[in-house]
Amino acid sequence: NAGVTQTPKFRILKIGQSMTLQCTQDMNHNYMYWYRQDPGMGLKLIYYSVGAGITDKGEVPNGYNVSRSTTEDFPLRLELAAPSQTSVYFCASITAREGAGELFFGEGSRLTVL
Amino acid sequence: AQRVTQPEKLLSVFKGAPVELKCNYSYSGSPELFWYVQYSRQRLQLLLRHISRESIKGFTADLNKGETSFHLKKPFAQEEDSAMYYCALKGGATNKLIFGTGTLLAVQP
Repeated sequence: NAGVTQTPKFRILKIGQSMTLQCTQDMNHNYMYWYRQDPGMGLKLIYYSVGAGITDKGEVPNGYNVSRSTTEDFPLRLELAAPSQTSVYFCASITAREGAGELFFGEGSRLTVL
Repeated sequence: AQRVTQPEKLLSVFKGAPVELKCNYSYSGSPELFWYVQYSRQRLQLLLRHISRESIKGFTADLNKGETSFHLKKPFAQEEDSAMYYCALKGGATNKLIFGTGTLLAVQP
């Protein structure tokens, strides 16, 4: 019963470094999302995907990139890390079925950029 | 514009007291609303959705279209209810959720 799995759980980056946050789900969900969670700001949508090969920007996409080569995987890439990207990142997925309501979340990845 | 507003960042109550976590929304269509909860060191999980009209862990939430609200209520708070609560609105065809800023509920013994 893995659900949504994110790696790494914690990471410290220096300004200008790049890295990829991995996300995989084993529920055959079409829709996948990346959110960032900042204190007092709630969750903001970074990017989302409605299926393999299809991605789109959310509210706060600047500084990030995504790809969706398979249904299972939805990695988030930070190309030039900045202190403003210090946050907790959550990957989530949901079925495309009409009326679906429950978004399944990963455990989160805490990223610090120094 | 689609928006979810949770006016309280922190709500502190004593065990056994009633709880009401406020949520207001802005949405032009027919809204679908949810409450998600994040307990300490756990992942976000669905608490309840307005369509199901269930009571989960003693919590209920009624959609009030006239007041554009979806407040979460519980008559008697328990210490294990302490968590971060997020109200969320589903908008559009992509099942995207728009989250409020969250309310931290702290239940004191």
